[in-house]
Amino acid sequence: SQQGEEDPQALSIQEGENATMNCSYKTSINNLQWYRQNSGRGLVHLILIRSNEREKHSGRLRVTLDTSKKSSSLLITASRAADTASYFCAIYGGSQGNLIFGKGTKLSVKP
Amino acid sequence: NAGVTQTPKFQVLKTGQSMTLQCAQDMNHEYMSWYRQDPGMGLRLIHYSVGAGITDQGEVPNGYNVSRSTTEDFPLRLLSAAPSQTSVYFCASSNSRTVGAYEQYFGPGTRLTVT
Repeated sequence: SQQGEEDPQALSIQEGENATMNCSYKTSINNLQWYRQNSGRGLVHLILIRSNEREKHSGRLRVTLDTSKKSSSLLITASRAADTASYFCAIYGGSQGNLIFGKGTKLSVKP
Repeated sequence: NAGVTQTPKFQVLKTGQSMTLQCAQDMNHEYMSWYRQDPGMGLRLIHYSVGAGITDQGEVPNGYNVSRSTTEDFPLRLLSAAPSQTSVYFCASSNSRTVGAYEQYFGPGTRLTVT
């Protein structure tokens, strides 16, 4: 499969802790994107990182990309209960012409 | 801007019925797409369009039709509903004809149940 695969499938932490989610893929990519989905809602774009970039930040979010290992990680620092959601990576590149989504990591942040 | 809107929010169909899921965006985006989301499967692309009059198939197109007569609208038609089409459907748009090159904006989804 060309899709990204997130790890872990589920993650439960306490408020204030850091949350790290990983995404692995098998093909070469042009970019990799992370999205958040709150329960019952549509997906919201978080960060796009291009294949020539290694790290990007947005507020409490930090995304890294290691193209040699074909993997990316999303770090959420100082988690809040409002960060409770599913997080998806999506890859663009290789033979497919569209964005391919993984199955997601379900994050639960307990107050 | 309203962004991407979808109607209806919920729908129950009987096997064999047809219906159209509506999607509209007010951001003048060239690229629009339809995904379905099933438990444990992530999002799978059904159909997409890179501009008015241009559509193409995604990963799971069977049983669905699309058309794109305007930049704003991208309806998804279920021709003869089957229980396997029970899912949550998301419409998305992007400000690029190079699909995947930029972020996608998602609608709130339509939850469809086929009995």
